[in-house]
Amino acid sequence: GDSVTQMEGPVTLSEEAFLTINCTYTATGYPSLFWYVQYPGEGLQLLLKATKADDKGSNKGFEATYRKETTSFHLEKGSVQVSDSAVYFCALTGYNNNDMRFGAGTRLTVKP
Amino acid sequence: DVKVTQSSRYLVKRTGEKVFLECVQDMDHENMFWYRQDPGLGLRLIYFSYDVKMKEKGDIPEGYSVSREKKERFSLILESASTNQTSMYLCASSFDEPYEQYFGPGTRLTVT
Repeated sequence: GDSVTQMEGPVTLSEEAFLTINCTYTATGYPSLFWYVQYPGEGLQLLLKATKADDKGSNKGFEATYRKETTSFHLEKGSVQVSDSAVYFCALTGYNNNDMRFGAGTRLTVKP
Repeated sequence: DVKVTQSSRYLVKRTGEKVFLECVQDMDHENMFWYRQDPGLGLRLIYFSYDVKMKEKGDIPEGYSVSREKKERFSLILESASTNQTSMYLCASSFDEPYEQYFGPGTRLTVT
């Protein structure tokens, strides 16, 4: 079945460092891809999405590009802040768009 | 803004008790979902509903049931709580298109 694999954490960075969180997927057909963020004590919030190959999703300085050839959707940010500390989830919806598959999550800690 | 609310943030129940978790959304979404979130496992779908009185099993429905009598409300029921149901429970909702899901803040359930 469809699935998502993302890099294991935790990831610890200094403020203003460059962030990459890797995400690859396995799916039949053409899934839509998402990044969600979960701040401490809260539910998940949609961070960005891409619905077709070569689309770039972006929000709050984060970006991810839908790469069909490498089945990847890596999350990047050029300069992280302490407030970006959270757990990040990669997800996809496939053939049945009600069936959203999540990665295991990557915990990011940004130190001042 | 989409608002998804859950009846409790924290809940402590005893083994064998019947537990009700309630979720309400205010955006007239067709679809509603219940997930459980456990460290290292990401989110796993318990049940979802695509219309009033309709429900579909997710990946881990055993030990759970659901009820959707009104469009805005989706209840998760643990018929006889067990310690292995100690977890974070997240409710979400979505339109048919776009497919991104909107999450509530979660209920952390402890079964002793």
